[in-house]
Order: sequence, then structure tokens, then C-alpha cells
Amino acid sequence: SQQGEEDPQALSIQEGENATMNCSYKTSINNLQWYRQNSGRGLVHLILIRSNEREKHSGRLRVTLDTSKKSSSLLITASRAADTASYFCATGPQGGSEKLVFGKGTKLTVNP
Amino acid sequence: DTAVSQTPKYLVTQMGNDKSIKCEQNLGHDTMYWYKQDSKKFLKIMFSYNNKELIINETVPNRFSPKSPDKAHLNLHINSLELGDSAVYFCASSLKADTMTQFFGPGTRLTVL
Repeated sequence: SQQGEEDPQALSIQEGENATMNCSYKTSINNLQWYRQNSGRGLVHLILIRSNEREKHSGRLRVTLDTSKKSSSLLITASRAADTASYFCATGPQGGSEKLVFGKGTKLTVNP
Repeated sequence: DTAVSQTPKYLVTQMGNDKSIKCEQNLGHDTMYWYKQDSKKFLKIMFSYNNKELIINETVPNRFSPKSPDKAHLNLHINSLELGDSAVYFCASSLKADTMTQFFGPGTRLTVL
């Protein structure tokens, strides 16, 4: 069954603005990851946050995790046109399952 | 150098045909995966192999048969192709079978006519 649900489904902003995407999930997790997919390309790993972490930064990316609400957010600051892509959250469930479960993604468009 | 490569990039074929997609990773990873991404961009795991051993086999029609000749290769063979098989198929790999970072190939867009 699908685990992550991203919100919003689509987001359109101007260059320089911040973009925030949210992900909600249903079961307990070991970690949560964010991936980017440019049109017609494979997914690229952006950042991983473990279940015992609350916030993580990587360059212009900031990820938060609230395990009590089973939600995560991805913030991209000072967005650029090159950030235009679909962004997916993926959860690594507890219990030793090896599989990541992906959400449906948020399509971000950054207008120059 | 390409980390995870897939061939072909595009595959157009008729219903009922049999086709294969090949995947290779040069990262030295132990674990490889096949995913299917439908027209709504929903990405779903199909199979996973760890050191040539099948460890994940989701509810996939048995027309789909993965084969891992060695841990650097994971091929996907599809028999009797159906219209609903049209999708983008992604291969991925990870260092170990522990749901940490996965590296994806560029995808194979399969169109069944």
C-alpha cells in the first residue's frame, strides 16, 4: 500500500522564492528520504533523515521530520529555475523491510 | 562514468511480444531493484535482489521475470506484453539491502501498442 503522500501535488513559484513541500506517511519508519526527478530522468537522492532526527540541512535544502504527526517537509530556499522537477518522499519502514515506499510526488515549477 | 545504466532507453513493441530490459551498476553495490512508474508518476517497487538472491517480490504478474547473473546486473524479462505494461521502468541499486540511499538509472520507457 502507498505510504507517503506529498502535498501539494503541484507548486509554481518565482525564482528566488522558497518552496515548501510536505509528506505524510502512515506507519512507523526507520528513515525518510527525499528524491528529485527531472523530466524524463531517473530519481536523484537529495537527503535522508533518520527517525530519531528532527531536522537536517544540505545546502539550500532543509528537511524536518515529525514522527508524532507522521509528516516531513522539504524546504528549498532561494529557488532557481533549475530546481524545476518532481520531488518524492520515500519511507523506509521499521521492521527490517528492505523496500522504500514512494509517494506520488510534488511537481515544482520555478519560473525565471 | 554512468553509475546505473539501463538499456534500452525507449522500447516500443506490440502486444503479446516478449522483451527484456537490461540494467548494470558499477558502484559495487550489493542490492538492485526494479521499479515501475505509471503515467501518474506513481513509483512502485517490483523486485529486489541482494547478491543475486531475490529478496523482494511484490505482487507482480509472473509474466515479469527478473534475472541477476551477478550482483552488478539485474535484467527484467517481460513475456506476453499487455497494454497495461506501458510505463517507465527504473532500475536502482543500494550499497546494502537496508533502505538507505538508492541510486537510480535513467529509466526505460516501454510503450505497448
